[in-house]
Amino acid sequence: NAGVTQTPKFRVLKTGQSMTLLCAQDMNHEYMYWYRQDPGMGLRLIHYSVGEGTTAKGEVPDGYNVSRLKKQNFLLGLESAAPSQTSVYFCASSYAGGNSNQPQHFGDGTRLSIL
Amino acid sequence: AQTVTQSQPEMSVQEAETVTLSCTYDTSESDYYLFWYKQPPSRQMILVIRQEAYKQQNATENRFSVNFQKAAKSFSLKISDSQLGDAAMYFCAYLMDSNYQLIWGAGTKLIIKP
Repeated sequence: NAGVTQTPKFRVLKTGQSMTLLCAQDMNHEYMYWYRQDPGMGLRLIHYSVGEGTTAKGEVPDGYNVSRLKKQNFLLGLESAAPSQTSVYFCASSYAGGNSNQPQHFGDGTRLSIL
Repeated sequence: AQTVTQSQPEMSVQEAETVTLSCTYDTSESDYYLFWYKQPPSRQMILVIRQEAYKQQNATENRFSVNFQKAAKSFSLKISDSQLGDAAMYFCAYLMDSNYQLIWGAGTKLIIKP
């Protein structure tokens, strides 16, 4: 059971470089999410998607873009990496949001360092 | 805006004893969901237990149980018979009905002493 798979697991970038983080889920979930986790803080939502072809901004969307071209995949892009984007990034998916108690299933995280 | 507060940055407990982790939240909504997630050093985020606000009965999952006090907006997690494998960061999270965003607390680091 793969669940939610994130690639890569680690990455080091130089300031100004761009990259894409891939999230794939095999549970046929409609909803997908990208979070960042910084020391001493809870997870913060960057962007989310409620279905194929749709995306929406979360709490901290600046500097990131996302795409959901296929239901099972949710891509997070950094257009021009900045040291403030050094963080651990988590992808999650759920069967539904809102008026359902379906929990979010998480990937193992991607540790991203921007030098 | 909804907020979630975990006032204990770190807790420690002797193996086999019971420990309670605190969580309070602020909301004006009546329908919502509350979760406790565990994050061991492996970084995986694992759902421990969940509670629907409309249910008066406290949720239990084996050694894990919650004390849900809706009027006080409190949602504490009790771990009985603590085991070494329980050592992790524990996060409390809130999900408003008809919304998609989990609001997270800052976490409590739980240390288990052998």
